[in-house]
Amino acid sequence: EIVLTQSPGTLSLSPGERATLSCRASQSVSSSYLAWYQQKVGQAPRLLIHGASSRATGIPDRISGSGSGTDFTLTISRVEPEDFAVYYCQQYGSSPPTFGQGTKVEIK
Amino acid sequence: QVQLVQSGAEVKKPGSSVKVSCKASGATFSYYAFSWVRQAPGQGLEWMGGLIPIFETPTYAQKFQGRVTITADGPSSTAYMELSSLRSEDTAVYYCVGNYRYHYDSSGNRNWYFDLWGRGTLVSVSS
Repeated sequence: EIVLTQSPGTLSLSPGERATLSCRASQSVSSSYLAWYQQKVGQAPRLLIHGASSRATGIPDRISGSGSGTDFTLTISRVEPEDFAVYYCQQYGSSPPTFGQGTKVEIK
Repeated sequence: QVQLVQSGAEVKKPGSSVKVSCKASGATFSYYAFSWVRQAPGQGLEWMGGLIPIFETPTYAQKFQGRVTITADGPSSTAYMELSSLRSEDTAVYYCVGNYRYHYDSSGNRNWYFDLWGRGTLVSVSS
């Protein structure tokens, strides 16, 4: 199975700063079948990005995804207070689907 | 607009089984790709298995093979996940997740991302 490694584990930022989250796969993710999810405390995760770079419905354009092959990035251009949460990447290019261990974006 | 409504929290004894339901309203049920994802306290997300009702045959994560059963009932538009031989490590929130879109990988398996999430069902396993 494909192992996803996210970095950093925790990102401490002030509102308005840029957030760059990394997701690295142990082997190539076919057709960029890579998704990103946001999870706030006490809530279910929410889909942000699928297909490496396609925003889900209602996701603001300050959140973007990029990458291909084994290296993927989630970028938040200017972090808003509602963006402080845990972010997970997930590959669905091959079975079984797998998740990264998560990156926590916290207030500095 | 599809909604996934899950059953309520459960408290179980070690060695017993739990069956969690997920009612899909607003979905063309047979073509909706369901998965179950769990999250232990303070931990990450773990895929357990999935099913597209029209194809009938579920797929399971190797870790749960033999312990998990995923089924779907068309008339009630409800998907189920049953986990047996419960142990304390199975204490987690179990999420029903779904999507209409899926694709085939190079091995012929159907895969999909998780467009919609239920609110989760807490299953606590304790003696």
